[in-house]
Amino acid sequence: EVQLVESGGGLVQPGGSLRLSCAASAFTFSSYAMIWVRQAPGKGLDWVSAITPTGDSTYYADSVKGRFTIFRDNSKNTLYLQMNSLRVEDTAVYYCAKLASGSYSVSWGQGTLVTVSS
Amino acid sequence: QPVLTQSSSASASLGSSVKLTCTLSSGHNTYIIAWHQQQPGKAPRYLMNLEGSGSYNKGSGIPDRFSGSISGADRYLTISNLQSEDEADYYCETWDTNTRVFGGGTKLTVL
Repeated sequence: EVQLVESGGGLVQPGGSLRLSCAASAFTFSSYAMIWVRQAPGKGLDWVSAITPTGDSTYYADSVKGRFTIFRDNSKNTLYLQMNSLRVEDTAVYYCAKLASGSYSVSWGQGTLVTVSS
Repeated sequence: QPVLTQSSSASASLGSSVKLTCTLSSGHNTYIIAWHQQQPGKAPRYLMNLEGSGSYNKGSGIPDRFSGSISGADRYLTISNLQSEDEADYYCETWDTNTRVFGGGTKLTVL
């Protein structure tokens, strides 16, 4: 069964940085595009970023462009999200998800909470 | 880019059926969408994808009670024989070049 396990969340001050990880198992990680999606407290799902299987193309929501970087290490079956210049409004549970043939999300991790507060 | 519109809430009685709607914005009514369920305090779970033809493919382990259909720009998720565990938030998802969108979600209450 596909497993996606996020880690790296925590409390950080505004302007700070955090790196999230998503460890993947039970599928050929290097063959699938991956995404990050976040969910602010009491709110809906909000797409953050996407990356192609090889990592050669990346995409970002306007709200995080220039501050967040998505990358992957296929040798370690791990997806990352480097978050810089964090804002209070970035506070959310961050989920990684596997895409089916670059299309819709078919597997989700359990999420990791990021809290940006002074 | 596409926009997905969902009603904020719905309710139905235990054992009955409910039809949730996700509406694609103008010019995007052939797009494929996916439905996801999020039970309280849990991560989202993929339910099915729904194509512009009306055919759908469910995820592994999704009960037969869940089905999909379309009408024009509307994409439906029908849940039959409602169970208490179906009380959850339901989101639709679609994508376009360089972007991905989710609907605002429908909170389903099982009475």
